[in-house]
Amino acid sequence: DIQMTQSPSSLSASVGDRVTITCQASQDISNYLNWYQQKPGKAPKLLIYDASNLETGVPSRFSGSGSGTDFTFTISSLQPEDIATYYCQQYDAPDTFGGGTKVEIK
Amino acid sequence: QVQLVQSGAEVKKPGASVKVSCKASGYTFTSYDINWVRQATGQGLEWMGWMNPNSGNTGYAQKFQGRVTMTRNTSISTAYMELSSLRSEDTAVYYCARGRRVPQAFDIWGQGTMVTVSS
Repeated sequence: DIQMTQSPSSLSASVGDRVTITCQASQDISNYLNWYQQKPGKAPKLLIYDASNLETGVPSRFSGSGSGTDFTFTISSLQPEDIATYYCQQYDAPDTFGGGTKVEIK
Repeated sequence: QVQLVQSGAEVKKPGASVKVSCKASGYTFTSYDINWVRQATGQGLEWMGWMNPNSGNTGYAQKFQGRVTMTRNTSISTAYMELSSLRSEDTAVYYCARGRRVPQAFDIWGQGTMVTVSS
């Protein structure tokens, strides 16, 4: 199975900061990568699909990039409501998730 | 609105089985796959498998092969996930998620079902 290495596992940033999370696949997955946000006690929510496409209704401060094995997820200006854990997911069968990045406010 | 509503929390003894349901509404149940993902307390997301509600075809993660069965009842737009031979390590929140095919993603999630395995 394809392994997804996500980093960092946690980060602390100030409101308004730019936040970047990376995800590395153990082999080439083209752009078969999605990003999800999970708030405490809630189900995950789809933010980005196919590496760089914003899901309908998701704020434009969220973005994604990359292809092949290296991917980046960015929050351009961190907001208090963005406190959550973020996961990457590759779907070049079988599906696997990254370990998650917990984002906190400094 | 489009939603998936799961059955309530379960407490099971080691060696038993659990069957979790996931009722779909607001869309055509047979037009999207249903995936199951679990999450142990404080841990990450773990994909368990998928089912095509139209054909009944399934695909399971290797880790769960032989222990998991995914089925459906199209007349009531409900998917089921049954996990057998439960052990303490199976204690987790189990989510169903709608699998959009193009572009591929899990776009709608159930609220989760807590399954506790304890003697």
